Amino acid sequence: KNEVEQSPQNLTAQEGEFITINCSYSVGISALHWLQQHPGGGIVSLFMLSSGKKKHGRLIATINIQEKHSSLHITASHPRDSAVYICAVRSQRGSNYKLTFGKGTLLTVNP
Amino acid sequence: DAGVIQSPRHEVTEMGQEVTLRCKPISGHDYLFWYRQTMMRGLELLIYFNNNVPIDDSGMPEDRFSAKMPNASFSTLKIQPSEPRDSAVYFCASSPSGREQYFGPGTRLTVT
Repeated sequence: KNEVEQSPQNLTAQEGEFITINCSYSVGISALHWLQQHPGGGIVSLFMLSSGKKKHGRLIATINIQEKHSSLHITASHPRDSAVYICAVRSQRGSNYKLTFGKGTLLTVNP
Repeated sequence: DAGVIQSPRHEVTEMGQEVTLRCKPISGHDYLFWYRQTMMRGLELLIYFNNNVPIDDSGMPEDRFSAKMPNASFSTLKIQPSEPRDSAVYFCASSPSGREQYFGPGTRLTVT
């Protein structure tokens, strides 16, 4: 079983819909990252969080440490949001900055 | 700021050849990470450096892979000899603190 599980694997939505992508993990963590990868490959860090909630524009990330679960929400989705969204966790062990990644969620937003 | 620079962007080579991938981190960033991305396994950390010193190389697949960081502005990932299963996209990322990471554009490696 992968340490980091994402769901769904694939998601298709209509422009304007509210999107939720889920991430569950099985180890104690010091931080969780959400990354975005557009077709063509570039990877951008969206959020890094260790508790609570963060918001940036139409994107919201939440984390529940007790339940070992995080969600990424996109409000008023747009075709330019089409990308792979990747969840990654940093272990609690020492000061190691190694990230373990989920397999990603492919989001397609149709106009 | 130019961001993280990787070269080459694409590399096609034959099995058995030596491959060298290069990375220039963002100036002032003390951490440098090498990742590999494949369809089957997703993104995986290969190795990371802090102040040019390798800290965690547990993801380096085998002795055919080696990474160096001779100075704060340059790192290489070498595969010798290369095999078809090494075909992947290799990303370099740098970080000022080890926490938030800035990724390069990646090198797409094809080994035939």
